Formats: sequence, structure tokens, C-alpha cells
Amino acid sequence: GAVVSQHPSRVICKSGTSVKIECRSLDFQATTMFWYRQFPKQSLMLMATSNEGSKATYEQGVEKDKFLINHASLTLSTLTVTSAHPEDSSFYICSATTVEGGKLFFGSGTQLSVL
Amino acid sequence: GEDVEQSLFLSVREGDSSVINCTYTDSSSTYLYWYKQEPGAGLQLLTYIFSNMDMKQDQRLTVLLNKKDKHLSLRIADTQTGDSAIYFCAEATGAGSYQLTFGKGTKLSVIP
Repeated sequence: GAVVSQHPSRVICKSGTSVKIECRSLDFQATTMFWYRQFPKQSLMLMATSNEGSKATYEQGVEKDKFLINHASLTLSTLTVTSAHPEDSSFYICSATTVEGGKLFFGSGTQLSVL
Repeated sequence: GEDVEQSLFLSVREGDSSVINCTYTDSSSTYLYWYKQEPGAGLQLLTYIFSNMDMKQDQRLTVLLNKKDKHLSLRIADTQTGDSAIYFCAEATGAGSYQLTFGKGTKLSVIP
């Protein structure tokens, strides 16, 4: 099946620093990638939709200047958490669709801890 | 707004059947999904069903959809310890939409 690689799996950073998370589709071209955030005991919340070569579409309440998304190629999307604060600590997951559509394939997630 | 509800915990004995239930509110749902999340891992797509279907069976998995009641269930036959995980129900709405609304997940514990 289609594989989505997400890196890093875990990151600890100091407050005020920026963190970049990468999401790669390894064996297929992903025209659309999604970024989700999961709080403990909460469901996944969609943060933004990223289409290759265009600006990301952010969900209501998600700060686009805080969570920078770049989708420069059909196999790579990045999420940068800028000036991270402890409240940004969470589990971030990316997903991608295949050209055929109808299925979402997920990365393994990134646990971000901001001290 | 869209809302997906599922119970948070389920405990079954090994060999028994597990049934995980989910309700949703958006009647325009096109696809409904079941994902499995094992500890420390990402989400794995188990199965999905189109909104115009009532049932889908895939080996040990059976998905039932009651569109009138907006109720979705996942039945796992002959549950094994390896089935212990969190199971997420999700709905997709709108033509061509892959933006999913997830439930909070049901933690399935299998007792040996």
C-alpha cells in the first residue's frame, strides 16, 4: 500500500524556537496533503489542507503565520511551528491522498513537546 | 456542524467478536472510514464504505451502515490480542472531499 513517511517522530524544543515537520509520500504522488493535530483524549482536528504548488487552506482558528505549510512538490509537504510555545505541544499527523482518491494514508505522527 | 461520536472504551475476551459503534450527524457524508491506531504508530486505514452501501465485509471485519439513523459499526470477528488499539471512525463530506471529521476513538482492549 501507499506509504507516507513523517519525520521526526518526536521532537523536544525550547519555547520560542521553530520546529519543522516533514511529510513525504514515498511511492505515490500526493496532490493533496493534510495536517492534523491531536490533543490527548481528543479526536484528530484538521489544521490545514495543502495542495502542491499553491497556498495552504487553513481551518478556522488555525493561525497561518504560526503554522507555516509548504507543499513544494508532489511528494513533500512541511509544517513549521514558528516561535513554539508550551501550548503548541501536541501530536501532529499528516496524511496524503493518492491520485485515485477515496483513501487517505497517514504518516506515523510527530510528538512535539515545547519546554 | 459536523460531529462524530463513539464510545471511548471497549473490552472483549480473545476469540469473541468486538463491535465498535459510531454515530455521525452530517447526512451528506460520502465516505465513512475506520482507522486503527496502534501505540506509537500512525493511523492505519482498515476499511471504508460508501454512503450508498449498507454493509461491507473484508475478512474478519464487517462494517454496517444505517444511513437513516446515521449509525456506523465495525465488527471484528474472532478478536485477537493484536487487535488491541484505538479505532477511529471518520466521515468525509462533500463531493471529492477528503477532509475528514474524526471521532475521539474507541480504545479496544482484548483480554487473553
